[in-house]
Amino acid sequence: EPEVTQTPSHQVTQMGQEVILRCVPISNHLYFYWYRQILGQKVEFLVSFYNNEISEKSEIFDDQFSVERPDGSNFTLKIRSTKLEDSAMYFCASSEGLGSYGYTFGSGTRLTVV
Amino acid sequence: QKEVEQNSGPLSVPEGAIASLNCTYSDRGSQSFFWYRQYSGKSPELIMSIYSNGDKEDGRFTAQLNKASQYVSLLIRDSQPSDSATYLCAVTGSGNTPLVFGKGTRLSVIA
Repeated sequence: EPEVTQTPSHQVTQMGQEVILRCVPISNHLYFYWYRQILGQKVEFLVSFYNNEISEKSEIFDDQFSVERPDGSNFTLKIRSTKLEDSAMYFCASSEGLGSYGYTFGSGTRLTVV
Repeated sequence: QKEVEQNSGPLSVPEGAIASLNCTYSDRGSQSFFWYRQYSGKSPELIMSIYSNGDKEDGRFTAQLNKASQYVSLLIRDSQPSDSATYLCAVTGSGNTPLVFGKGTRLSVIA
């Protein structure tokens, strides 16, 4: 069964450092997403991406965050200057379309900022 | 602000019983509704989707939707210990906005 692949599975970084989280969505999917889940809290939407541009973003997705699709397969989330409160599980997801299409989630990257 | 509310649990049921999980949502224009299962430390896994009022069955799972009451539920028949997980309700808003998740209900099936 097709799957969304995320790397690395765990990243530890020092406060103020930049991190890049990587994702390979399912190949025939058109819509890509990043969500995060702080330990014990709900899965929160960060950003959606379609046709090589951001289609929607949440208030969490401020200037320290950016997304990119550098080639035909990878989808990345960059956090420019990490803070302690960025520690969370970051999930990439993709879907074939909008609305009635469910999202397939990757296995996640656990980001720990120290 | 679109909200999806779930009772956080834990909901404990004996093996073989029916587990009933509930969810309410605030955006009356919401069109698509999903149930995800999340094991501890893992990613959400899609188990059911429902788009119109009524029931939808898939194996041991039945999703129920009542748009007038803004209410979605998931029934798990013949619950197994392997069903022990957190169940997340997720809703797309009007205009097909991205999925909004509830905090989830933790289900524990006791052998």
